[in-house]
Amino acid sequence: DAGVIQSPRHEVTEMGQEVTLRCKPISGHDYLFWYRQTMMRGLELLIYFNNNVPIDDSGMPEDRFSAKMPNASFSTLKIQPSEPRDSAVYFCASSFIGTAGGYTFGSGTRLTVV
Amino acid sequence: GDSVTQMEGPVTLSEEAFLTINCTYTATGYPSLFWYVQYPGEGLQLLLKATKADDKGSNKGFEATYRKETTSFHLEKGSVQVSDSAVYFCALSKGGGANSKLTFGKGITLSVRP
Repeated sequence: DAGVIQSPRHEVTEMGQEVTLRCKPISGHDYLFWYRQTMMRGLELLIYFNNNVPIDDSGMPEDRFSAKMPNASFSTLKIQPSEPRDSAVYFCASSFIGTAGGYTFGSGTRLTVV
Repeated sequence: GDSVTQMEGPVTLSEEAFLTINCTYTATGYPSLFWYVQYPGEGLQLLLKATKADDKGSNKGFEATYRKETTSFHLEKGSVQVSDSAVYFCALSKGGGANSKLTFGKGITLSVRP
């Protein structure tokens, strides 16, 4: 199993540009989570899906952020327009209901907005 | 709401020293408890977990016991190695369904010197 795959690993973009982060969860996992990690705020849950349906998006900072999961093997997190304060490491994680919270994390996307 | 509190860091130890990292939680019901580890430049990895009171999770020489009476899940290792240098996160989960998300503590950085 290749684990949770995120792309790109690093992204540098200019303020105002659209950024799309991608995630492929582990096959068979029915939950997918997007987290953001910064030194100041630690790990923040942005949104999570169950069986491709968004369950809780209360952590999405503002309307500039959107996430989709069109099928069980793919999810995107989009920021438009991007701002310097969005600079962070974004993690995707997936899990199966039977693991009671035992997530598998991807390696993350380090986003820098200049 | 549910929360996890970790001791303030960072922690610096000499190789072969004894390690304790404190974690306490606030939650209704009977959460599952977890320790995750993040090595530099990587995503979080599940280190160990415990799903009910008095359970002991263990892995790679690390241990933690679910203490409901003190709402704690302290992480211990008898003899740390340089390779244990990482960030450690305590977390809780209420289990499946709408409560499947993990709530993380702020994390603590451990540095082990030779």
